[in-house]
Amino acid sequence: NAGVTQTPKFQVLKTGQSMTLQCAQDMNHEYMSWYRQDPGMGLRLIHYSVGAGITDQGEVPNGYNVSRSTTEDFPLRLLSAAPSQTSVYFCASSYTGTDTQYFGPGTRLTVL
Amino acid sequence: SQQGEEDPQALSIQEGENATMNCSYKTSINNLQWYRQNSGRGLVHLILIRSNEREKHSGRLRVTLDTSKKSSSLLITASRAADTASYFCATKSGGTSYGKLTFGQGTILTVHP
Repeated sequence: NAGVTQTPKFQVLKTGQSMTLQCAQDMNHEYMSWYRQDPGMGLRLIHYSVGAGITDQGEVPNGYNVSRSTTEDFPLRLLSAAPSQTSVYFCASSYTGTDTQYFGPGTRLTVL
Repeated sequence: SQQGEEDPQALSIQEGENATMNCSYKTSINNLQWYRQNSGRGLVHLILIRSNEREKHSGRLRVTLDTSKKSSSLLITASRAADTASYFCATKSGGTSYGKLTFGQGTILTVHP
């Protein structure tokens, strides 16, 4: 199993550009989520999904969109990048009914 | 807002010593987990303790939970240089069946050889 994979590893954007961060898992997990990690802030939940076709907002959803068309994939879209979105983004997944989450390696995003 | 607050923010010890990290939270929880993050990597699950448990062990790790004080501690015994990492507590509240977690700010542990 590859576990949770994320692409790209690094990305530099200019203000106003859009992009999609990719996340995939091969463990057949129902639950998937996106976090951002900023220095001194821990991890904050952006969006999450409890299954294909079902998504919901987390703590800091503004400026981000998600969709879940398959169990395996959960992409995060930045609609119009802002410097405040400079961060490290982590995707995670777990089985429904368990709370142990498996994390991807992260995407380091810089918005100039 | 962050559910968990961790203390200390940074801890520096020598190999062989024990390391203790604390986590406090604000609302009632179903369970509390500890994760480790090596520099530049994703988080890795270490241990989960349920709200009706007081202590749990896993190898060199010992976790305690005091729901009356809304706090937990993680003890790493006989630390090694490879234990150098950031450690995060994460809490789950509410009755949902999925793992919507709230993370603390983390403790940076440095173990000197």
